[in-house]
Amino acid sequence: ILNVEQSPQSLHVQEGDSTNFTCSFPSSNFYALHWYRWETAKSPEALFVMTLNGDEKKKGRISATLNTKEGYSYLYIKGSQPEDSATYLCAFRNAGGTSYGKLTFGQGTILTVHP
Amino acid sequence: DAGVTQSPTHLIKTRGQQVTLRCSPKSGHDTVSWYQQALGQGPQFIFQYYEEEERQRGNFPDRFSGHQFPNYSSELNVNALLLGDSALYLCASSTTGGRGGYTFGSGTRLTVV
Repeated sequence: ILNVEQSPQSLHVQEGDSTNFTCSFPSSNFYALHWYRWETAKSPEALFVMTLNGDEKKKGRISATLNTKEGYSYLYIKGSQPEDSATYLCAFRNAGGTSYGKLTFGQGTILTVHP
Repeated sequence: DAGVTQSPTHLIKTRGQQVTLRCSPKSGHDTVSWYQQALGQGPQFIFQYYEEEERQRGNFPDRFSGHQFPNYSSELNVNALLLGDSALYLCASSTTGGRGGYTFGSGTRLTVV
């Protein structure tokens, strides 16, 4: 059974604060790590697909790093805005075998940004 | 581009009944996956369809079955509904291999009473 853990479970920050969350995943048979942003009543929005150890990706004020050898990824938000309030999900994709194509999700980090 | 479309958005069923959920994938995508999200948990993989066949399956009982049509759209069927089947059901589409990532629909909220 693959275990994907996210921390913290929830986070409250003030507008303008920078914040970061962690996703831990198995360090063996790595294929890809996905990050999604999910607002209530909407569909999960893909942020990043990360495949290489040491990958760093950026989209506006949001960036992510990947360490496949130790099995973790960080998501950073610089200068949080109220519209960043959402659940942030990471999902691990195993390499080959019977897990091909399947995403194993963490439970998510709920971010609330207060004006 | 309409992205992934799921129907219905909400559904209430009685224990023991059967339900069918529908998904139209994003244009250009040929692979459809279904996920169940129970309250307080991350989405859990149910199964994936490609070329009208179930390619991979998660740890869900046989009461959960699916179908993919020649136009790549898909259905998720759940028989003999239990209260525990109440959840948000998400559909995700991708190209073969999923290298471009997965596009999700906004889900169907199923309530079993």
